[in-house]
Amino acid sequence: AQSVTQPDIHITVSEGASLELRCNYSYGATPYLFWYVQSPGQGLQLLLKYFSGDTLVQGIKGFEAEFKRSQSSCNLGKPSVHWSDAAEYFCAVGARGTSYGKLTFGQGTILTVHP
Amino acid sequence: ETGVTQTPRHLVMGMTNKKSLKCEQHLGHNAMYWYKQSAKKPLELMFVYSLEERVENNSVPSRFSPECPNSSHLFLHLHTLQPEDSALYLCASSQDGQGRGGYTFGSGTRLTVV
Repeated sequence: AQSVTQPDIHITVSEGASLELRCNYSYGATPYLFWYVQSPGQGLQLLLKYFSGDTLVQGIKGFEAEFKRSQSSCNLGKPSVHWSDAAEYFCAVGARGTSYGKLTFGQGTILTVHP
Repeated sequence: ETGVTQTPRHLVMGMTNKKSLKCEQHLGHNAMYWYKQSAKKPLELMFVYSLEERVENNSVPSRFSPECPNSSHLFLHLHTLQPEDSALYLCASSQDGQGRGGYTFGSGTRLTVV
């Protein structure tokens, strides 16, 4: 069965600092990979998605993710964090070949941004 | 506007009540999903509908009953719930049924069972 691990429950960074959120997955083949962000009281918003090809994927809001197949990881990064980036971030994997796109989510990483 | 609308946003119900959560999407998506989000736990997939047919019931108790009358609407009927069912219930849709485009989520219904 596929699984997703986000090792960091809570990360605190200063505004303007760089950010890396970790995600590791367990799956028999190369899955689809997604990063979502959730602000308090809101649903999840898609930041970026990886299907195949280039291992560096650009997303919205200045986020990018690097897919490393050999490490079964897909870490999310941003060169300079803004206070508005404070939220919870979820990594998710999807199995290729299914007929209904079931996603498995990690437990999430809460990001706090200090001024 | 996320494209997926959930109502109500908040719901408080007693354990003997019957209520329904509603989800609506006008994105032309083919698949719709119910997820449960509890504190300190990963999102739990509850139900999947693809082209209005239920394709997965993820061992959800029978006190939760989904309904998908058409490709734009999804309901979750609730009855005789337990306090541990209190959570944020999220609806999502995807375009191609394989989820390659990712999900579009609604803002959720915050359910409190008293």
